[in-house]
Amino acid sequence: ETGVTQSPTHLIKTRGQQVTLRCSSQSGHNTVSWYQQALGQGPQFIFQYYREEENGRGNFPPRFSGLQFPNYSSELNVNALELDDSALYLCASSLGGAPLNSPLHFGNGTRLTVT
Amino acid sequence: DQQVKQNSPSLSVQEGRISILNCDYTNSMFDYFLWYKKYPAEGPTFLISISSIKDKNEDGRFTVFLNKSAKHLSLHIVPSQPGDSAVYFCAASALAGGTSYGKLTFGQGTILTVHP
Repeated sequence: ETGVTQSPTHLIKTRGQQVTLRCSSQSGHNTVSWYQQALGQGPQFIFQYYREEENGRGNFPPRFSGLQFPNYSSELNVNALELDDSALYLCASSLGGAPLNSPLHFGNGTRLTVT
Repeated sequence: DQQVKQNSPSLSVQEGRISILNCDYTNSMFDYFLWYKKYPAEGPTFLISISSIKDKNEDGRFTVFLNKSAKHLSLHIVPSQPGDSAVYFCAASALAGGTSYGKLTFGQGTILTVHP
């Protein structure tokens, strides 16, 4: 069973630039969620994708957008990067519609630094 | 507005003793609670969960207790082992209203250190 994989592991960008982060979900999982974890904080929900459509969004501006592909992999895009976007970005997959014993499975994250 | 709070940033325990990690929440719509463990340079790993219809769930050395009237849950680890040293996150979700399973609200985390 393949777990959740994210790429790249680390990334340095300049303020104002755009970035794309990628995620492959665990095999058999059809739902992908993205979280932002700032230093010293817990992960914060950005959005979730199910069947290639956004299905729930947290308190993040529209410059945070995403995609889910037919193979359930996903991308997180952030435009007009700001210094406060520096964080660990976590992708998690799950089986949508499953009973409560199907928790999120997280990847190891992408560490984004904006200078 | 921090809907899930872990008020202890850190906890230090001797090997073999009990570790108790606490979590408080404010949103009465939350009906499903989870604990995740995170090692450095790794993503959070699911530990144990509890539905609001229960007040206790046990899995080996890990037990989660839920007190709905107090909006409080705790994770007990007995006996604690040095390998348990990690950051522990409490998370909550509101499933009954049809909210997506993916939307978890996390606490800030508690760093647990278990000394040999």
